[in-house]
Amino acid sequence: AQSVTQLDSQVPVFEEAPVELRCNYSSSVSVYLFWYVQYPNQGLQLLLKYLSGSTLVESINGFEAEFNKSQTSFHLRKPSVHISDTAEYFCAVSDPGSGGSNYKLTFGKGTLLTVNP
Amino acid sequence: KAGVTQTPRYLIKTRGQQVTLSCSPISGHRSVSWYQQTPGQGLQFLFEYFSETQRNKGNFPGRFSGRQFSNSRSEMNVSTLELGDSALYLCASSLGDWGYGYTFGSGTRLTVV
Repeated sequence: AQSVTQLDSQVPVFEEAPVELRCNYSSSVSVYLFWYVQYPNQGLQLLLKYLSGSTLVESINGFEAEFNKSQTSFHLRKPSVHISDTAEYFCAVSDPGSGGSNYKLTFGKGTLLTVNP
Repeated sequence: KAGVTQTPRYLIKTRGQQVTLSCSPISGHRSVSWYQQTPGQGLQFLFEYFSETQRNKGNFPGRFSGRQFSNSRSEMNVSTLELGDSALYLCASSLGDWGYGYTFGSGTRLTVV
């Protein structure tokens, strides 16, 4: 079974500083990878996804993540954060190789990003 | 385009009761998944439906069940509620192809007392 490890449960940073949220997953032949963001009292919003192709994927609000197969990682980065980026971030993985019935996401425990002024 | 709608938003039930939660997916989406979110266990997969058929099920007891209707709307039911069932229940919908990802609703906050 797939597993996802988010190495930091909390990451405090100052506004306009760079940030990296780390995510590692258990090895598999092929995986789909996702980052979701959750604001207080809301559901999850898809931030970005890796299905295939270029290993660097970007979101519309300045986040990017790089798929590294050899290190089984999918770290999320942003060069300059804003107060409004304060939220909980979840890394998730799915294993398409398990057959068409495996339409499920396995989530990490989440990283709370707090951006301070 | 309306998003994923979950009702009710908040619910308080007593131990031993049963509860039904509802999810209306984005128009045209045929896949609906349910997840339970708790502070201790995080986000855990409950089940996924596509065109009224359950395609996958997580490791939850039989007290947790679900169904999907012909209009893709989905319900999940929890019988004989326990205190540990208190959680945020999230529904997500998709066209059914991984390329589109899943869109989540705002969730139903269930409190069992």
